[in-house]
Amino acid sequence: NAGVMQNPRHLVRRRGQEARLRCSPVKGHSHVYWYRQLPEEGLKFMVYLQKENIIDESGMPKERFSAEFPKEGPSILRIQQVVRGDSAAYFCASSPNLGLAGPTDTQYFGPGTRLTVL
Amino acid sequence: DAKTTQPTSMDCAEGRAANLPCNHSTISGNEYVYWYRQIHSQGPQYIIHGLKNNETNEMASLIITEDRKSSTLILPHATLRDTAVYYCIVSGGSNYKLTFGKGTLLTVNP
Repeated sequence: NAGVMQNPRHLVRRRGQEARLRCSPVKGHSHVYWYRQLPEEGLKFMVYLQKENIIDESGMPKERFSAEFPKEGPSILRIQQVVRGDSAAYFCASSPNLGLAGPTDTQYFGPGTRLTVL
Repeated sequence: DAKTTQPTSMDCAEGRAANLPCNHSTISGNEYVYWYRQIHSQGPQYIIHGLKNNETNEMASLIITEDRKSSTLILPHATLRDTAVYYCIVSGGSNYKLTFGKGTLLTVNP
């Protein structure tokens, strides 16, 4: 099975442009999570999505950031009007199920997209 | 969320066992202990997880104390490619947000 795939692996944008990051989960996984890793810091949760639904976006900045996971196709993390502070590595993870009454299913991570804002 | 405490860094000789400790004294009954590692610039790699019993897979062993307040990840025969930051994370129940702390930088030396 192919693992989580992310593209592009590296993305350079100028301030004010839009960045679109794509994530294809493991085949058969219906839960997607996005995390951000700022330089020299640990990963921070941003958003959790299921197909066509945003379940938890408590870690997303209130402005300029949005995420979707359509019925068909990859999950997209969109950053509008990027600023230098958005420069980071963005990781997507997927899991097969979320057992609300039981253990959290294991999340498997992709290789990340490294966003550089000039 | 239960917090974890790990040493900042550890060294290990190639071919020897690497034992990485983690304290999680506030872990609750339905929370699991997960271990991930991040090799420089790559995405976190899942290693192993457990609830209260010791676990072993092809990568590592996980020893959880009886009171579940601490655990040890064991890499039985460390190689140079095991050099990475290792994260101990407590998660479970309805908590799907993985909290990555500073982790332990394991350096395997030839």
